[in-house]
Amino acid sequence: DAGVIQSPRHEVTEMGQEVTLRCKPISGHNSLFWYRQTMMRGLELLIYFNNNVPIDDSGMPEDRFSAKMPNASFSTLKIQPSEPRDSAVYFCASTSNGRTYNEQFFGPGTRLTVL
Amino acid sequence: QQQVKQSPQSLIVQKGGISIINCAYENTAFDYFPWYQQFPGKGPALLIAIRPDVSEKKEGRFTISFNKSAKQFSLHIMDSQPGDSATYFCAASIGNTGNQFYFGTGTSLTVIP
Repeated sequence: DAGVIQSPRHEVTEMGQEVTLRCKPISGHNSLFWYRQTMMRGLELLIYFNNNVPIDDSGMPEDRFSAKMPNASFSTLKIQPSEPRDSAVYFCASTSNGRTYNEQFFGPGTRLTVL
Repeated sequence: QQQVKQSPQSLIVQKGGISIINCAYENTAFDYFPWYQQFPGKGPALLIAIRPDVSEKKEGRFTISFNKSAKQFSLHIMDSQPGDSATYFCAASIGNTGNQFYFGTGTSLTVIP
C-alpha cells in the first residue's frame, strides 16, 4: 500500500490567494483527519470525517478554511483567502473503523508558506 | 482546552541514557493511549500503544508505564540512541468512537552521541 498521499508537498503562495491541499487516504480506511502543525501550537486537529461525512469541524480556525470529502478516496482542505499566519505543515491521516483500537496513519504533510 | 498534557517540551539525553516523557489526562473515558514518533520532514508514526487494562507495555527499548489512578502515562526509552532523536507525541482516544485522537503538545528529544 502506498500509504496516505498528500499533495503538494510544498506550497508557497502570497497572502490573499486561494490554497487547496489534497489528500488520498489509505484504501479501505473510512475515517480521515486534517491536522495543522506549528511550533507554537503543536499538532492541532482541524476536522475529521467518518464515511465521507464531516463529524467535527470545531478545530477549523475560521470561515476561510473549508474541507470536503466527495468520496472515500479523496479529500481537500481549502484556505481562501490565505494569510501569513496560516503558514504551517498540514497533515492528513486516515484510519479504519470497525476495530476497537485504531492506528492513525499520517501522510508526509504539506508545508505551506504564505508570504 | 488541552485534553492531554505532555512534558517536557524538550529533552536532551546522552547516548545510552534513559529518556522519559510524561503525559497526563483528565477524561476517564479514554481507553487507548498511543505514542507517536515524528522525524523531521515526516508525518508522525505510531511507536507503541497501551490500553488501561495493563500497567506496562514494552517493545524493545520502548516502554509505556500507565498509572490509571493518577491518570498519567509515560514513555521510557532505554539505552537512548542518536537515531531516537525525534519529536514524540502522546495521545488518547475513546475506543473507536469517532476515532478522534487527542494529542499532547509534543516533546523534542535530542540524543547526544
